Amino acid sequence: DAGVIQSPRHEVTEMGQEVTLRCKPISGHNSLFWYRQTMMRGLELLIYFNNNVPIDDSGMPEDRFSAKMPNASFSTLKIQPSEPRDSAVYFCASSLEAGGSETQYFGPGTRLLVL
Amino acid sequence: AQKVTQAQTEISVVEKEDVTLDCVYETRDTTYYLFWYKQPPSGELVFLIRRNSFDEQNEISGRYSWNFQKSTSSFNFTITASQVVDSAVYFCALRSNNAGNMLTFGGGTRLMVKP
Repeated sequence: DAGVIQSPRHEVTEMGQEVTLRCKPISGHNSLFWYRQTMMRGLELLIYFNNNVPIDDSGMPEDRFSAKMPNASFSTLKIQPSEPRDSAVYFCASSLEAGGSETQYFGPGTRLLVL
Repeated sequence: AQKVTQAQTEISVVEKEDVTLDCVYETRDTTYYLFWYKQPPSGELVFLIRRNSFDEQNEISGRYSWNFQKSTSSFNFTITASQVVDSAVYFCALRSNNAGNMLTFGGGTRLMVKP
């Protein structure tokens, strides 16, 4: 079975440009999570969806960040405009939530560098 | 509030040595779940184990074993006869029902196994 798929795996862009990260969760999973990993702050939850609905976006750093999940098999995280401090590894994870105990499975991550 | 502490930021051992990675957690909830993830140099996050708060039975999987002790709020991870391929950053994480689906990660322990 395919795991969580993320694209692109690497992205280099210039400050001010729009960046779109993509995620395909594991088929059948009903929850999707976006995390950011940096040396300074470790792993942070940005936002999570349940049944395609955003449940908690309190981790989204600012209005430049937005996330969508138009259907059960696709989600995007967009940064507009991007800034050098957004450079990080962005992970998408999915799980099948059935009672609050399910395991989150992570994608390979997108390594973003904003120059 | 939830918190996970991995006091060891970096450990270096020689191949075939046993090594224990410490994890201490804080939560006010009586029902919670503990996880370990491995992040090898390639960068992906690999799920290793999940433990429920009501199951303190220790677990062994090959060279890996986990010691869960509620009395000390610890969930330690031991690798027996370490190998170079075990070199990675290991993350302990906590999730409780009252925190929704949010995973709280520790800061990670970087394990270096030298030949």
